[in-house]
Amino acid sequence: KAGVTQTPRYLIKTRGQQVTLSCSPISGHRSVSWYQQTPGQGLQFLFEYFSETQRNKGNFPGRFSGRQFSNSRSEMNVSTLELGDSALYLCASSLVGWETQYFGPGTRLLVL
Amino acid sequence: DAKTTQPNSMESNEEEPVHLPCNHSTISGTDYIHWYRQLPSQGPEYVIHGLTSNVNNRMASLAIAEDRKSSTLILHRATLRDAAVYYCILKRCNQFYFGTGTSLTVIP
Repeated sequence: KAGVTQTPRYLIKTRGQQVTLSCSPISGHRSVSWYQQTPGQGLQFLFEYFSETQRNKGNFPGRFSGRQFSNSRSEMNVSTLELGDSALYLCASSLVGWETQYFGPGTRLLVL
Repeated sequence: DAKTTQPNSMESNEEEPVHLPCNHSTISGTDYIHWYRQLPSQGPEYVIHGLTSNVNNRMASLAIAEDRKSSTLILHRATLRDAAVYYCILKRCNQFYFGTGTSLTVIP
């Protein structure tokens, strides 16, 4: 079974731009969660989607948004990028959300 | 808030047991304790989880204190491939609250 895939793997943007990251979960998994990982704050939960609906949300500003499609693939969008948004963005999938999560390799975003 | 506290780093000799501690004094009754590890340039991977009782699997053992305010991940025989950052996590309402992680160095 293929694992969680994330595209792109690396991204460089400038302040004020917006960015869209993509996550394809393991086949059959309906829950997708997104996390931000930085050296200073560690791993922080952004949001979780299940059956195309946002089910949980962490403490991030509205500039961070996401969506999930009918095939369970998910995208997250960050608008009006700030330098502090530079991070590794990880997505994780699971069957229905409360069991083992399987993480992708992440997308490393650098904001200049 | 769901918070875990872990030592920043630990060292172990190869083929010796490793005990990785975690404090989670704010744990609530329905919070699960999860452990994941992250190898360089990879996403975290599942190690083990539990609620109240000690748990064993092929990778590790999880010892949970009776009051659930702390837990210990036990790697029975550390190998070089076990060098990673180990995260102690509280799962509350489908949301993972990660600790800062313990960087484990395995010495050959």
